[in-house]
Amino acid sequence: AQKITQTQPGMFVQEKEAVTLDCTYDTSDQSYGLFWYKQPSSGEMIFLIYQGSYDEQNATEGRYSLNFQKARKSANLVISASQLGDSAMYFCAMREDGSNFGNEKLTFGTGTRLTIIP
Amino acid sequence: DAGVIQSPRHEVTEMGQEVTLRCKPISGHNSLFWYRQTMMRGLELLIYFNNNVPIDDSGMPEDRFSAKMPNASFSTLKIQPSEPRDSAVYFCASAPGWGALTFFGQGTRLTVV
Repeated sequence: AQKITQTQPGMFVQEKEAVTLDCTYDTSDQSYGLFWYKQPSSGEMIFLIYQGSYDEQNATEGRYSLNFQKARKSANLVISASQLGDSAMYFCAMREDGSNFGNEKLTFGTGTRLTIIP
Repeated sequence: DAGVIQSPRHEVTEMGQEVTLRCKPISGHNSLFWYRQTMMRGLELLIYFNNNVPIDDSGMPEDRFSAKMPNASFSTLKIQPSEPRDSAVYFCASAPGWGALTFFGQGTRLTVV
C-alpha cells in the first residue's frame, strides 16, 4: 500500500481563490510527521509546512495551512488567496518515527501540479 | 545560512563514466540524505547518514552506487559505471536532529548519454 497518496495529478485554480491539495497517509506508528514541499519549475524543493502527529492545532504558515484530520489520516494543504507564483508541483511527505529513534527519512507522494490562472 | 549546497548543478556524462556528486549540508545538521527524483519513481531515498554514519542504505539501487560522508560538512554520491537509466535529479538534504525539519539542496540534474 502507498504510504502517501496524492490523488490530484493536476489542478487549475483562478488567481486569488483558495485551493486545497489532498494528501492521505498510511502508517501504524503513533508518532510521525507530515510535511509539504513546493517544487517550482526551477527544480528546488522548498519546505512549506509541518504537522506533528501529536500536534492538536492545525499548522499554519502565512497563506499555508495544513488541515490535519488524524482519524481520517489526511493532511491536506490549503493555500489561501492563491498567487501566480504558487504555480508549482506540491509534494506531501511523511516521516515515521516508530521505534527506530533517529529514523528521519521522508516518504513522498507523487505530487500535485498546481497551475494558477490569471 | 547558505543552505544545503550541491555541486555540480548539471552533469552530462557518457555511459560507463564515473560520476561524483557533492554535497555540503547546513552547518550543525546531524543528518544527511541523498534522494533521487525521476518521472517514473518520483522522489525516493537512496541513503541516509546520521553523525557521518550510514544509517539506512536500503534505497541504493545497486553496487554501482556508493556514498560517503568523511566529515560533518561533506558528502559524496558516486556512480561507477554510470548508465542511461541513472539519469535523474539527485537531491541532497540535511536536518539538524531527530524530529526536525529537512531542508533540500537545489539538486544535481544528471544526464547519462
